[in-house]
Amino acid sequence: SQQGEEDPQALSIQEGENATMNCSYKTSINNLQWYRQNSGRGLVHLILIRSNEREKHSGRLRVTLDTSKKSSSLLITASRAADTASYFCATDHTGGFKTIFGAGTRLFVKA
Amino acid sequence: SAVISQKPSRDICQRGTSLTIQCQVDSQVTMMFWYRQQPGQSLTLIATANQGSEATYESGFVIDKFPISRPNLTFSTLTVSNMSPEDSSIYLCSVKRGVQETQYFGPGTRLLVL
Repeated sequence: SQQGEEDPQALSIQEGENATMNCSYKTSINNLQWYRQNSGRGLVHLILIRSNEREKHSGRLRVTLDTSKKSSSLLITASRAADTASYFCATDHTGGFKTIFGAGTRLFVKA
Repeated sequence: SAVISQKPSRDICQRGTSLTIQCQVDSQVTMMFWYRQQPGQSLTLIATANQGSEATYESGFVIDKFPISRPNLTFSTLTVSNMSPEDSSIYLCSVKRGVQETQYFGPGTRLLVL
């Protein structure tokens, strides 16, 4: 399978709460990217973290990367109803140039 | 960043016919890719579009079914041939400027095969 794994598959929270999504992968990577996709629409790039980085922030987003565990997490703080979307991690593997996507997490933020 | 447009944005096609999807980028890019996203699923890489040579296909995808052209560094086409209802998906064009750079996506082409 091309895909990495993400969990949870679906997450439902109240507005104002934090949302955490996890991504695991199998082989060494150059970098890892997180994307958001609103229902049936295009992908929006959120953040790229390189293999030599451990944490990055962008507004309400915080991404961590643990290469020893081959995993990453995306934290959305103080969530809003507009954050309702599917979130995907995507990895660029060492020695290649293709980007492979995880299965995605569907986040639902209740107002 | 890169601005990517795709044509058509959506189409409804009859089984057995073919559809060609166009992808145009606003500037030259090194790498172009085609992905498929089946309903409710994640993205699956179909192939890497190579400028001036045959595309590189992923396991499970073949040139006869998904012929790809890339005549220059800003344009590519993907044809979905001899379509069946199982080909109903969103098809997305994607680009990268370098091996370790951000990957950008077009808006997608929504295909429904009846």
